[in-house]
Amino acid sequence: NAGVTQTPKFQVLKTGQSMTLQCAQDMNHEYMSWYRQDPGMGLRLIHYSVGAGITDQGEVPNGYNVSRSTTEDFPLRLLSAAPSQTSVYFCASTSPGAYTQYFGPGTRLTVL
Amino acid sequence: QKEVEQDPGPLSVPEGAIVSLNCTYSNSAFQYFMWYRQYSRKGPELLMYTYSSGNKEDGRFTAQVDKSSKYISLFIRDSQPSDSATYLCAMSKDSNYQLIWGAGTKLIIKP
Repeated sequence: NAGVTQTPKFQVLKTGQSMTLQCAQDMNHEYMSWYRQDPGMGLRLIHYSVGAGITDQGEVPNGYNVSRSTTEDFPLRLLSAAPSQTSVYFCASTSPGAYTQYFGPGTRLTVL
Repeated sequence: QKEVEQDPGPLSVPEGAIVSLNCTYSNSAFQYFMWYRQYSRKGPELLMYTYSSGNKEDGRFTAQVDKSSKYISLFIRDSQPSDSATYLCAMSKDSNYQLIWGAGTKLIIKP
């Protein structure tokens, strides 16, 4: 049982480049979410999904896209990277009625 | 003003001390309150969970919620160097799905 996995662990992009951050979970959780964590800001919700085929925006969705074609996978796409997107990105999953969110190890992204 | 306020620290205390970590919030609709612990370069993990007001104890950790004051606390007794981490409070109105997070307090326990 790997829990929540994220790839890559580190990434450096140039302004304007696009990329996809991968997230997968093997716990059959319906709910998955993407956060970004910046110093002094805590965790901010980017997008979330309550099941395959269903996604919605969180607090800071601009510049990011998501899709959920399977229960296991929830990729986050940066459309045109900007320096303001330099951050640590965490994926999390949970079950309905549960109160524990399980987090992945994070992806450290730098946009130059 | 943020919905959830948390002093970022760092808070540095000697080993064995009692640690008090706090968050204040502005939305009286919050009912679910959590404390997550995050070690350096790792994802957060749930430490304590409390519904509505009251206290909850788990080993050396006690979570306290005072809804009348919109104030939550996490106490750590007999603190150990392994407790050194960032502690984030989180809360929600009606489920775990959309949590509102504090900024996190960095705690350092000196041997």
